[in-house]
Amino acid sequence: GAVVSQHPSRVICKSGTSVKIECRSLDFQATTMFWYRQFPKQSLMLMATSNEGSKATYEQGVEKDKFLINHASLTLSTLTVTSAHPEDSSFYICSARDLNRVNTEAFFGQGTRLTVV
Amino acid sequence: AQSVAQPEDQVNVAEGNPLTVKCTYSVSGNPYLFWYVQYPNRGLQFLLKYITGDNLVKGSYGFEAEFNKSQTSFHLKKPSALVSDSALYFCAVRGANSGNTPLVFGKGTRLSVIA
Repeated sequence: GAVVSQHPSRVICKSGTSVKIECRSLDFQATTMFWYRQFPKQSLMLMATSNEGSKATYEQGVEKDKFLINHASLTLSTLTVTSAHPEDSSFYICSARDLNRVNTEAFFGQGTRLTVV
Repeated sequence: AQSVAQPEDQVNVAEGNPLTVKCTYSVSGNPYLFWYVQYPNRGLQFLLKYITGDNLVKGSYGFEAEFNKSQTSFHLKKPSALVSDSALYFCAVRGANSGNTPLVFGKGTRLSVIA
């Protein structure tokens, strides 16, 4: 099946620094990827929809200047958490679908556990 | 608007017993329905989906789900639970005509299988 690779799986950073998370579709093209955030024992909260070659669409309440999304190619989207603070600590997950295959499920990356100290 | 309800935060079942994790949905038009499982500190793994056809869908690891249009439900089932099935389970929906929109997830149900 299709594979989505997310890197890094775990990162610890100091408050005020920026962290970049990569999401790659390994064997299919994804013009659209989705970024989610998950708090402990809670469901996935959609943060933004990443569109290849254009600006991302952010959900209400998500700061676009804090969570920078770049989707420069059909197989790579990046999420950069800028000037991270402890409240940004969370589990971030990306998702993509193979648009060449109709009615397919979404595939998810392994997730990134971000801890800001 | 699309929505998914998973009424149980936690389901406990003894190993070897059948398990059911409930899910109901609301969507305009025909639904595409999905079940995913999440283990600690991992992404979501796809279990099964209903797109069209037979209402009983069989998926990975012996799981199955039954689409019931009149009750707008898509409950996840397994005839005999294993301790290794203990995880967080998410039901998700997307409208058939919703294009490339993201899935809408339920809040998740934590399954605990006790030996």
